Amino acid sequence: EAGVAQSPRYKIIEKRQSVAFWCNPISGHATLYWYQQILGQGPKLLIQFQNNGVVDDSQLPKDRFSAERLKGVDSTLKIQPAKLEDSAVYLCASSRFGPRSSSYEQYFGPGTRLTVT
Amino acid sequence: AQSVTQLGSHVSVSEGALVLLRCNYSSSVPPYLFWYVQYPNQGLQLLLKYTTGATLVKGINGFEAEFKKSETSFHLTKPSAHMSDAAEYFCAVSRYSSASKIIFGSGTRLSIRP
Repeated sequence: EAGVAQSPRYKIIEKRQSVAFWCNPISGHATLYWYQQILGQGPKLLIQFQNNGVVDDSQLPKDRFSAERLKGVDSTLKIQPAKLEDSAVYLCASSRFGPRSSSYEQYFGPGTRLTVT
Repeated sequence: AQSVTQLGSHVSVSEGALVLLRCNYSSSVPPYLFWYVQYPNQGLQLLLKYTTGATLVKGINGFEAEFKKSETSFHLTKPSAHMSDAAEYFCAVSRYSSASKIIFGSGTRLSIRP
């Protein structure tokens, strides 16, 4: 099966500009996650969707970050306006089963590397 | 609250030597534990996971990990390192809950010396 797709792979913008990332999860995966991975750190969850509803967005900086998952499939993550500290890799992941299943596993896309200058 | 500590941000071993990457976790409830690998410019790939049952878990590429509740550890091992094992490795913890999220450690970069 096709993996999680993300675009673009790389993006360079100036601070105060806006940027959007796109994610297409694996077909049939109800849950979609957006992570921020700063250089030298592990991924940090920004937002989790179950179908097209938000399950957890407690670590999403809502003053500048927004995300949506239309029709419970594709998702976009937007930053407006960007700050220097937003430079990171933004990873999208999806899962078919929830954490109560022994088959629980998240599948990750290749990520989008954002550089804010 | 859950957390993960990976001991050693960088580990270097010779090709053919034992690989040992250390991970300790903190969780107030029985955890789910994961090891992910990340190759340069790629996303994360699941190596292995522990949910319930046998505490020694075997994964892909010859890796295995043992869940030790008394030590709150989930160390990753491989008997003989290969050059292709050079990558970043992340330990992660979750829990049995419909809304649980995965908490990742800060990662350990594994280098293999010829």
